Amino acid sequence: GENVEQHPSTLSVQEGDSAVIKCTYSDSASNYFPWYKQELGKRPQLIIDIRSNVGEKKDQRIAVTLNKTAKHFSLHITETQPEDSAVYFCAASRAGGGTSYGKLTFGQGTILTVHP
Amino acid sequence: DADVTQTPRNRITKTGKRIMLECSQTKGHDRMYWYRQDPGLGLRLIYYSFDVKDINKGEISDGYSVSRQAQAKFSLSLESAIPNQTALYFCATMAQGLTVNEQFFGPGTRLTVL
Repeated sequence: GENVEQHPSTLSVQEGDSAVIKCTYSDSASNYFPWYKQELGKRPQLIIDIRSNVGEKKDQRIAVTLNKTAKHFSLHITETQPEDSAVYFCAASRAGGGTSYGKLTFGQGTILTVHP
Repeated sequence: DADVTQTPRNRITKTGKRIMLECSQTKGHDRMYWYRQDPGLGLRLIYYSFDVKDINKGEISDGYSVSRQAQAKFSLSLESAIPNQTALYFCATMAQGLTVNEQFFGPGTRLTVL
């Protein structure tokens, strides 16, 4: 089965700095890579995702890059703000409609703290 | 707004007791999932269901069972709770399809087994 490793486990930055979280995956058939943000006491929510036919995707201050050859993908947050403080999870999945698809394997999570 | 709800939100129980956690959704999604969250371990899949007649084990199904009573309802049971099942449990849903893969999570149930 799929195995997703996420680093670092904790990340502390100053407001305005950039933050980068990295994940590696093991299953070469995985083709969908979402990132979820979980604020304290809240449910995880999707913030950005990327499919294997794309190398990079941006949405305002966040971006995700994917290197299929090396089987790793990263989340980049620029101009960090205190409200970016949360736990971030990467995940990998085989996208599709059959019963063997649609399962997410999550990384262990990164606690990001942005200091004002 | 269409949503995913879980009951109870918090539960404290004793070792050996049977516990049921319930999940309901108004999103009209076919796929439903149960995860547990432990610090430093991320979200781990317990069971998932792609329709009412389809139930599949996840990576940590031992000690758990599930029931898909309807498209909108998916329950998780602990037949005989033990302390290492103390965790935060999330239900999630996802629409069927080749391109839609976002999972929508419920608010979570915090379970403590004494």
